Amino acid sequence: GENVEQHPSTLSVQEGDSAVIKCTYSDSASNYFPWYKQELGKRPQLIIDIRSNVGEKKDQRIAVTLNKTAKHFSLHITETQPEDSAVYFCAAIRGGGSYIPTFGRGTSLIVHP
Amino acid sequence: GAGVSQSPSNKVTEKGKDVELRCDPISGHTALYWYRQRLGQGLEFLIYFQGNSAPDKSGLPSDRFSAERTGESVSTLTIQRTQQEDSAVYLCASSLAARGGGGSQHFGDGTRLSIL
Repeated sequence: GENVEQHPSTLSVQEGDSAVIKCTYSDSASNYFPWYKQELGKRPQLIIDIRSNVGEKKDQRIAVTLNKTAKHFSLHITETQPEDSAVYFCAAIRGGGSYIPTFGRGTSLIVHP
Repeated sequence: GAGVSQSPSNKVTEKGKDVELRCDPISGHTALYWYRQRLGQGLEFLIYFQGNSAPDKSGLPSDRFSAERTGESVSTLTIQRTQQEDSAVYLCASSLAARGGGGSQHFGDGTRLSIL
């Protein structure tokens, strides 16, 4: 089955710095890669996603890159703000068969003001 | 509805009791997922419905766990003879379609289950 590794588990940055979270996956048939943000005690919310026919996608301060050959994808947050503090989860979903997302273990991002 | 709705939001029960958790997906969403999230941990897949059939039950931890779904609407997750290790937040998510590599999942607020 699919295996998703996510690093780092904890990331601490100063306000205004950039943050990068990386995920690798094992199943080359995975073709959809969403990222979720979960604030303390809240539901996970989709913040950005990318499909395997695209290498990069950007939405304001958030971007995701995908390297299909290397089977890794990354979340980039620029000009971080304290409200970006949360746990971020990556996921990989295999198309054409089981549609179950495999989630990474999460990254706790702390942005210090 | 406007979003995925789960009830109850909190449930405290004694060990050995049965509990039933409910999920109301977004109207028109054919795919529905149940996850378990222990404190400080990631999302553990439990079961997935496409319509009212469950093609994948592989994540259910034991035969004490079961789930059903009526048509393309409400789903219930039942845990029988609860144990303390069942304490967790149970999250439900729905998406428009599972085919084609998956649609984006919309999560409910979860049910926080505490077993005494």
